[in-house]
Amino acid sequence: KNEVEQSPQNLTAQEGEFITINCSYSVGISALHWLQQHPGGGIVSLFMLSSGKKKHGRLIATINIQEKHSSLHITASHPRDSAVYICAVVSNFGNEKLTFGTGTRLTIIP
Amino acid sequence: DAGVIQSPRHEVTEMGQEVTLRCKPISGHNSLFWYRQTMMRGLELLIYFNNNVPIDDSGMPEDRFSAKMPNASFSTLKIQPSEPRDSAVYFCASSGGRGGYNEQFFGPGTRLTVL
Repeated sequence: KNEVEQSPQNLTAQEGEFITINCSYSVGISALHWLQQHPGGGIVSLFMLSSGKKKHGRLIATINIQEKHSSLHITASHPRDSAVYICAVVSNFGNEKLTFGTGTRLTIIP
Repeated sequence: DAGVIQSPRHEVTEMGQEVTLRCKPISGHNSLFWYRQTMMRGLELLIYFNNNVPIDDSGMPEDRFSAKMPNASFSTLKIQPSEPRDSAVYFCASSGGRGGYNEQFFGPGTRLTVL
C-alpha cells in the first residue's frame, strides 16, 4: 500500500462544476503539498499546509491531521484547470523529503 | 527572476553513454532537489541538497547515478553508463528552506530517452 493515496485517479467534469480531489496518507506528517502539473509537463506548487485550510482564488485546500486526509477543491471549474493534481507529504519521522501520490488527472469540458 | 533553469530540455542518447543534466536554482534558495518522473513510479526524490551539502541520497537508484552541487547556483546529475530504464523526465526544484517544509519551485524538466 502506498503511503499516499489519491482519489479519484481520473475525473472529468463540465465547466462550472465544483471539484473535489482527495488525498489520504498512512504516516504521521509535518506538512502536505498540493502540486499542479500542466499538460505540457510543468509542475507548480499550489499549497503547502500542516493544519486547517488555505484558499487561493478558486482553489481551496483543507487538511484533517487526525483523519490523515486532505482535500483540494476547485470552485467554478474552467477548462484551464485541466491538469494532473499531485499530493505530497513530509513525514514527521525526521525524513525531510516529499513522498508523492500518483496524481489525479482532471479534465474540464467546456 | 528566471525561475529554476534546467538544461538540456530534451536528451536522446544511446545505452552506455554518459548523460549530464544541469540545474540552476533560484538565487537565494538554499535547498535543491532532483526528482525523476516515470509513468510506472510517478515522481520520486533522487537526492536533496541543503547549503550545497547532500542531505538525503537514498533515492539514487544505483552507483551509475551521481549528483554534485559545487556552489549555490549550480548542480549536476550524471548517469554513467545510461540504460533504457533511465528514460524519464528529470526535474530539479529549489526552495528557500530545508527539505519539504517550504514551497518548492520546479524547473521545466529534462526529458531523457535512452535508446
